[in-house]
Amino acid sequence: DAKTTQPPSMDCAEGRAANLPCNHSTISGNEYVYWYRQIHSQGPQYIIHGLKNNETNEMASLIITEDRKSSTLILPHATLRDTAVYYCIVRVTNAGKSTFGDGTTLTVKP
Amino acid sequence: DSGVTQTPKHLITATGQRVTLRCSPRSGDLSVYWYQQSLDQGLQFLIQYYNGEERAKGNILERFSAQQFPDLHSELNLSSLELGDSALYFCASSAPVAIPTGDQETQYFGPGTRLLVL
Repeated sequence: DAKTTQPPSMDCAEGRAANLPCNHSTISGNEYVYWYRQIHSQGPQYIIHGLKNNETNEMASLIITEDRKSSTLILPHATLRDTAVYYCIVRVTNAGKSTFGDGTTLTVKP
Repeated sequence: DSGVTQTPKHLITATGQRVTLRCSPRSGDLSVYWYQQSLDQGLQFLIQYYNGEERAKGNILERFSAQQFPDLHSELNLSSLELGDSALYFCASSAPVAIPTGDQETQYFGPGTRLLVL
């Protein structure tokens, strides 16, 4: 699996958009980008994933650059409950191993 | 609620002992993954089972073993426990289809078992 690089921490004001970047410059053509988050020692929670196109669901939007070497997770209106560690991972299709890096600790402030 | 259940929630034991952690995947999911999360090492992939068979192996110690049963629940056995085995152990499940594509590899995590070895 390709290695990902994320900033260790970010702050965001409540109600504003949180933009979390992820670099995956060695991503392969068959690797998907997945985002998970973990709130204070709870089980990681799936957020969104994509291959090439931008994706949106009820939780977030995922913007993948055209060369697929980086992506940005967007939480459009961050709330205090979005404070968590956000993990960006890339996975080869049909492979078992997931490599979670250190993630980004997002702190949403009032 | 992800639909993945893990028991027990908390476990306190002594060094040298053996424990079994249990995981029930989401209904219909065929794959089960085990992860260890300790304070200084983040989330580490241990092992994956698919429909009863081992599919992928990560940084799992020889003192640890796992299996997936015909009803698809899984158990992680930890033996000769050491202080350093104290951690959160998470189970995840995925793939309600026989040959999942990346689009179907989303993992859903359980609430974890917190193991404390004294």
